[in-house]
Amino acid sequence: GQNIDQPTEMTATEGAIVQINCTYQTSGFNGLFWYQQHAGEAPTFLSYNVLDGLEEKGRFSSFLSRSKGYSYLLLKELQMKDSASYLCAVRSQAGTALIFGKGTTLSVSS
Amino acid sequence: DGGITQSPKYLFRKEGQNVTLSCEQNLNHDAMYWYRQDPGQGLRLIYYSQIVNDFQKGDIAEGYSVSREKKESFPLTVTSAQKNPTAFYLCASSIETGWSEAFFGQGTRLTVV
Repeated sequence: GQNIDQPTEMTATEGAIVQINCTYQTSGFNGLFWYQQHAGEAPTFLSYNVLDGLEEKGRFSSFLSRSKGYSYLLLKELQMKDSASYLCAVRSQAGTALIFGKGTTLSVSS
Repeated sequence: DGGITQSPKYLFRKEGQNVTLSCEQNLNHDAMYWYRQDPGQGLRLIYYSQIVNDFQKGDIAEGYSVSREKKESFPLTVTSAQKNPTAFYLCASSIETGWSEAFFGQGTRLTVV
């Protein structure tokens, strides 16, 4: 079977750094994606990893270790607007759809 | 402006009625997807299509049907066989089902009463 695990909820304060972990067990691996979703809205793409290592995009970075089936999303200099759900998704094989974890709800307080 | 359009945003139907959710994209994407989202459940795949006139079942296809007669359109029908149809439905598309990310529509919230 295929399984993607993320923490259900996390809290942090403005200006802080938070790391959201994702572990996956899939029949294959063809890329790992992170999405942000505000309540009642569509998910928006944040980052993509296919090779091991760190991908940096402004305040957001994503890390992948394929041998460990592990990824994390790092959010720096947190802002109130970062309060949202963060979804980890894996494409197990080329030509298939993304499989999503249940998402991590991040609450940022002042 | 290019994008994915889902309509309507809110939809109410009586129990036992079939209902069709619209999804149109003008991004010239080959692949299209339908997901269902329930509280605490994340996104679950209903159906996806890589090319016109072809589609594949996802993890929760029972009680749903789709068609892909045009590249731009991928409508989802929620049939009376779907036991718990009230949910948030998201349509997405991507250039291909290889490495590219999926772009999502704004979703349709279906409530069956």
